Amino acid sequence: ETGVTQTPRHLVMGMTNKKSLKCEQHLGHNAMYWYKQSAKKPLELMFVYNFKEQTENNSVPSRFSPECPNSSHLFLHLHTLQPEDSALYLCASRPTEGETQYFGPGTRLLVL
Amino acid sequence: SQQGEEDPQALSIQEGENATMNCSYKTSINNLQWYRQNSGRGLVHLILIRSNEREKHSGRLRVTLDTSKKSSSLLITASRAADTASYFCATDGGNQGGKLIFGQGTELSVKP
Repeated sequence: ETGVTQTPRHLVMGMTNKKSLKCEQHLGHNAMYWYKQSAKKPLELMFVYNFKEQTENNSVPSRFSPECPNSSHLFLHLHTLQPEDSALYLCASRPTEGETQYFGPGTRLLVL
Repeated sequence: SQQGEEDPQALSIQEGENATMNCSYKTSINNLQWYRQNSGRGLVHLILIRSNEREKHSGRLRVTLDTSKKSSSLLITASRAADTASYFCATDGGNQGGKLIFGQGTELSVKP
């Protein structure tokens, strides 16, 4: 266990649904990340937050909306997704002075 | 451009044998990291090597870095069935912002 938790672990949603993914860490880290992992592709960085401020948006479509209310929690709000958005969504955190990222177990998302 | 290309994409060996995975990258780096991912789970950090280091060891892991060739290798000695996983290299692209760029990974299968 890395100390980073993600819920839910599995999610099936229709294209018209709205859902949210949650990531939580109590490691005292101030940087948090969302990644998308599709089959046969490298991890794609989606968003980066440092001290609750978004510092990176890697050209992610607006149907993905991140929220970081505090340094321990990170959300990814989903609406009107497409089937190609089906993937494993990974959250990670990093200590301010460190280079290693700590990953959660991921949410396996299926969009029908 | 994509950073961190791994080679081979898949590797199948017998228990007790050594496994070598290679990674090439394109830009300057401050450090290179290797992560492991069990099927459908989050990534776990294995080892970090800095740009001024040539070799590093951690248990049965040995990592080398050749900055002139922009390449790294991960050697797992005396492999075990439990080493079966995907292995990813990640570089920081020479930036200090904590962003990592991952390769596509090597899928290692260790047969008992």
